[in-house]
Amino acid sequence: KAGVTQTPRYLIKTRGQQVTLSCSPISGHRSVSWYQQTPGQGLQFLFEYFSETQRNKGNFPGRFSGRQFSNSRSEMNVSTLELGDSALYLCASSLASGAGADTQYFGPGTRLTVL
Amino acid sequence: GNSVTQMEGPVTLSEEAFLTINCTYTATGYPSLFWYVQYPGEGLQLLLKATKADDKGSNKGFEATYRKETTSFHLEKGSVQVSDSAVYFCALSRLQGGSEKLVFGKGTKLTVNP
Repeated sequence: KAGVTQTPRYLIKTRGQQVTLSCSPISGHRSVSWYQQTPGQGLQFLFEYFSETQRNKGNFPGRFSGRQFSNSRSEMNVSTLELGDSALYLCASSLASGAGADTQYFGPGTRLTVL
Repeated sequence: GNSVTQMEGPVTLSEEAFLTINCTYTATGYPSLFWYVQYPGEGLQLLLKATKADDKGSNKGFEATYRKETTSFHLEKGSVQVSDSAVYFCALSRLQGGSEKLVFGKGTKLTVNP
């Protein structure tokens, strides 16, 4: 079974631009979560989508948004980029069976550099 | 709130040495506990997990036991290899808003020298 895939793997943007990152979950997984990883703040939760609905959101400004499609693929968008948005953005998928103790499986990440 | 504290390292060991990376957590209720590993330039890989008190997770020679009385989930390996060099993250998962949200420690960088 293929793992979580993320595209693109690397992105370079300038301040003020916007960016869209894509994530394809493991087949059969219904939940997709996004995390930001930086050297200073570590791994921080952005948001989680299930059945095309955002179920949970971290403490990030409204410039960070996302969506999920009917095939469970997800995109996240960052508008008006700032230098501090430079990070590794990780996507994770899980079955979301509702039985609890769900395990999240991560993709390789998208490395975003804002100049 | 929920939080995870792990020794930040870096940790440098010789091959075949014993490894312990400490992890303690603060959470209400009964979280699930995880260890993830990140190799250079890659995403996170699940190493092991435990979902209730006294459970022991194990994989690839690594072990960790869910200790509710000490709120700990320390990672151990009896004999490390050069290929174990990576960053290790302890994490907890709590049901929130109908979904499982992961809260991570800051990571511990391990370097194993031949």
